[in-house]
Amino acid sequence: DVKVTQSSRYLVKRTGEKVFLECVQDMDHENMFWYRQDPGLGLRLIYFSYDVKMKEKGDIPEGYSVSREKKERFSLILESASTNQTSMYLCASRTGTGLYGYTFGSGTRLTVV
Amino acid sequence: KQEVTQIPAALSVPEGENLVLNCSFTDSAIYNLQWFRQDPGKGLTSLLLIQSSQREQTSGRLNASLDKSSGRSTLYIAASQPGDSATYLCAVPDQTGANNLFFGTGTRLTVIP
Repeated sequence: DVKVTQSSRYLVKRTGEKVFLECVQDMDHENMFWYRQDPGLGLRLIYFSYDVKMKEKGDIPEGYSVSREKKERFSLILESASTNQTSMYLCASRTGTGLYGYTFGSGTRLTVV
Repeated sequence: KQEVTQIPAALSVPEGENLVLNCSFTDSAIYNLQWFRQDPGKGLTSLLLIQSSQREQTSGRLNASLDKSSGRSTLYIAASQPGDSATYLCAVPDQTGANNLFFGTGTRLTVIP
């Protein structure tokens, strides 16, 4: 069974900390995505990557950066965590073009205090 | 910009009933439409991917239909069970090649034993 694995289900971090959220997929997909999900706002795209070392900004990239050094791993970095970054973070991957479906991970619930 | 709407926002049904969830989209030029399930506090599980050339897609008790010309999709759940209780989301990919998904607002389903 194909999988997208997010390393942490729950994280609690302090304001100002540098936070790393990790995502690994075992499907050899070219494309990987980071979304955040908030009540009333739905899912919003933060960043995506279409190849190793390649990245594109999504709708809400401010305060975030990403890293993709290997095809299977896509990391989301909060340079200096703030309370407004408390959210559910979802990683996804997809092969090829928009003709193909997305596979999501189980999510990381991040709380910044 | 594509807008995706789901009606109703919430639905409660007794166990055993058949039910229909609705999804509508404003731009009919879509590659495909994907239905997801989300349990509270968890990630998204893909249920069905229906391509633009298809009218229906089935998996077990689930059947998704697609009418591109009218901008509508339905998810039919037969013989509902308490384990079907979750939020159901539909999503369509961005046609502009921006590698994004436009998500519906979701339907929260409760199946009462």
